[in-house]
Amino acid sequence: GESVGLHLPTLSVQEGDNSIINCAYSNSASDYFIWYKQESGKGPQFIIDIRSNMDKRQGQRVTVLLNKTVKHLSLQIAATQPGDSAVYFCAERRFSGTYKYIFGTGTRLKVLA
Amino acid sequence: EAQVTQNPRYLITVTGKKLTVTCSQNMNHEYMSWYRQDPGLGLRQIYYSMNVEVTDKGDVPEGYKVSRKEKRNFPLILESPSPNQTSLYFCASSPGTFYNEQFFGPGTRLTVL
Repeated sequence: GESVGLHLPTLSVQEGDNSIINCAYSNSASDYFIWYKQESGKGPQFIIDIRSNMDKRQGQRVTVLLNKTVKHLSLQIAATQPGDSAVYFCAERRFSGTYKYIFGTGTRLKVLA
Repeated sequence: EAQVTQNPRYLITVTGKKLTVTCSQNMNHEYMSWYRQDPGLGLRQIYYSMNVEVTDKGDVPEGYKVSRKEKRNFPLILESPSPNQTSLYFCASSPGTFYNEQFFGPGTRLTVL
């Protein structure tokens, strides 16, 4: 498949354990934060988003936490499965006349059997 | 099947030879966007379109052109490609700017010699 990043930070997690993927952002004016998952050879796939006035949002097996004080975002995956192995990106939505999306550089998650 | 398609998937070309990468979506989405993905830099937005005949620059528009004559199509044009445009390109669409979930195509790997 396509290589999306040769030197990405990598998180290795045992199957069944919980995973926590972190992201720092820079712009306090961003109104939404979004997580995407990218499997090898594929385009990114939306996971979950959170509005900037929230500090937690839960989805199916995933939880996103937002700490605006330290400009930090995290994605927690419960009971990590082999199918969760991928690169995970956080993104910010900013308004400057129109909406733009700024993506982070990504974290590779490896699930160990 | 609801999808975003891109063609070609792989392209090797030479400096200065004009090329077009096509993008089409069958979901009647208003918003479409082009990104490039480079190791260590994540996804960077090139151009986006809020609707037919409405396009705007993203963060890295230099050397690219786009058009949006029909809702479903959003081609990316490189009038005079250069080696620094060697990258993995993704097209994405969403129902509108109030939706953070973007649907991505499978990607186009472009090499400019």
